[in-house]
Amino acid sequence: QQQVKQSPQSLIVQKGGISIINCAYENTAFDYFPWYQQFPGKGPALLIAIRPDVSEKKEGRFTISFNKSAKQFSLHIMDSQPGDSATYFCAASINNNDMRFGAGTRLTVKP
Amino acid sequence: DSGVTQTPKHLITATGQRVTLRCSPRSGDLSVYWYQQSLDQGLQFLIQYYNGEERAKGNILERFSAQQFPDLHSELNLSSLELGDSALYFCASSVDRLEDEQFFGPGTRLTVL
Repeated sequence: QQQVKQSPQSLIVQKGGISIINCAYENTAFDYFPWYQQFPGKGPALLIAIRPDVSEKKEGRFTISFNKSAKQFSLHIMDSQPGDSATYFCAASINNNDMRFGAGTRLTVKP
Repeated sequence: DSGVTQTPKHLITATGQRVTLRCSPRSGDLSVYWYQQSLDQGLQFLIQYYNGEERAKGNILERFSAQQFPDLHSELNLSSLELGDSALYFCASSVDRLEDEQFFGPGTRLTVL
């Protein structure tokens, strides 16, 4: 049963543009919301994560915005680069157990 | 390189067979997680072990089982294989069950013919 809904399925952005990926969750008990980046042939790698007691977290060009009341969170990639082209997964878990993943967004950054 | 190793990289087998996937966690990590990634189901959590004990169970079929050994490596056993079991199987590890970051291995691609 999917508890994390991710959109869009695919995204094409010009180099230097902003990439935005959205996720919505159902279970209010979730307390950890990571974003993973996956390149073809590789395992997912943690990009950035947030807990529900903060509304925003920024690491370099990557920002998570979190809206607890709306049960939504999003990933913003500023100044997108061709090297950012990958599949991005949002996820949610309780105490890092039983991680529930979104369906993934395939991002293509055109030079 | 995440420090998590998985063997084999690829596995091709027939329906009805049994296979074992192996995972070695990062040095010092006590928790091991198994995930299945397929086109139709996406990335799904299967099971977690912490220091040799099962800690959490996700969408793992009864035909599948796992264990974590005293040296902390883990094995995922898949039996009575079906075509639908064809997928990428990832192992991840973390320091302990409350530690946030999970480091994923490169995966084992299983093809059931």
